[in-house]
Order: sequence, then structure tokens, then C-alpha cells
Amino acid sequence: DTGVSQDPRHKITKRGQNVTFRCDPISEHNRLYWYRQTLGQGPEFLTYFQNEAQLEKSRLLSDRFSAERPKGSFSTLEIQRTEQGDSAMYLCASSLRLTTEAFFGQGTRLTVV
Amino acid sequence: TQLLEQSPQFLSIQEGENLTVYCNSSSVFSSLQWYRQEPGEGPVLLVTVVTGGEVKKLKRLTFQFGDARKDSSLHITAAQPGDTGLYLCAGARGFGTGNQFYFGTGTSLTVIP
Repeated sequence: DTGVSQDPRHKITKRGQNVTFRCDPISEHNRLYWYRQTLGQGPEFLTYFQNEAQLEKSRLLSDRFSAERPKGSFSTLEIQRTEQGDSAMYLCASSLRLTTEAFFGQGTRLTVV
Repeated sequence: TQLLEQSPQFLSIQEGENLTVYCNSSSVFSSLQWYRQEPGEGPVLLVTVVTGGEVKKLKRLTFQFGDARKDSSLHITAAQPGDTGLYLCAGARGFGTGNQFYFGTGTSLTVIP
């Protein structure tokens, strides 16, 4: 296992379309996080899972956003009816339950045109 | 409201110079991580500090956690062009109990050959 992987790396979509991103965490990590990052800014927290349970969601996560982590393994983040303001880098991270370090994937760059 | 403020926001220096990046907050953190991020990639973990007053060294990089665990600094000695990137601090407030990682605003470092 070489780390957190995200797919796709890049996604260009038309406004109004739905998109789905996938994250495969480090295999023994129970916690999985989604962050969003715009150019020149630090990542902003979206949501976090412990195993399959979604335990925290940011107010940034509007009703158009939904995340799942079936069986506590990989996770998906879906954005419905995309808007230009959704253009950003979407980052996934994972960590062990009792440690505080998070390891990030390479991100998915979303461009809404 | 940003829990962690970094300064400076931008830094451009000549190769061989020293620099310090600061990460400040009015909140107490159980641990603090420093990441380095290159354009189009996810953040890469450099170090984690957990004890107030702790100092960690990673080759030419020295990281310090404030005594009150509210602030941290990153010092780079004899900067090299390969040090160029976005440096991010991130803090965990919970004691390993599942809280999110709060990111700083980032410091964009350019080292000119």
C-alpha cells in the first residue's frame, strides 16, 4: 500500500452536471477526511468518516454534496448540479484512529465550465 | 474565521538564505502538523509536534511547538530551490478523538537560484 489514492486526478465538467470522485485511503486507517482547496488557500474541511459512519460535516457541504464510505473502505464524494464556484482541488486524507497525523492523496482538480 | 494564521503569506528569498514561517492561533491544539505542497499535488506531511516546547529537526528544517501549544514555527537554514512550495500548518484540537484538522492560510515560498 503506497498511500492515499484519488481518482480521477482531473475532471472538467459542464455546469449543471453531476460528478463523483473516489478516494482509497491507506488500508489500516479508520478515519477518512474530505477537504476542498482553492488556489492559494489552505484546505477547508468538508466531512469526515470513522469507518463507515459520517461523523462530522462542514457547513460548506451544501445539499448538492454527498459523501459515502460503504464498508469503511473507499469513499466517494458526489457533487450534483455543479456550479462554477465548485471549481477547486478536492483532497482526501486518512489517519489511524488514535493518531493525529493525516496523510493526503494527490487530489482531484475539478473545473466547472 | 481562520483558526490558524500563517505569516508571511508570501516569501521570496535567494538560495542560501535563512527563513522562518510562523503559525499562530488563540486556540490550543493537541498536535500540529506541517505540510509542504507543490502545485497540482496534495500536501505532503513533513512533521508532527505534540508536546509544548517541542523542537524537531528534519535536515535543514527546524520545527518548534509553542509552550502553550497555540503556535508553531518552521525555520529553514540555507534554503535551496527545492524548498520552493506552499507550506501549511494544520492543527488537531481533539486528543485523538476524531476532530478535523484545521489548516492555516499557507505560506508560499520561492527560493531563487
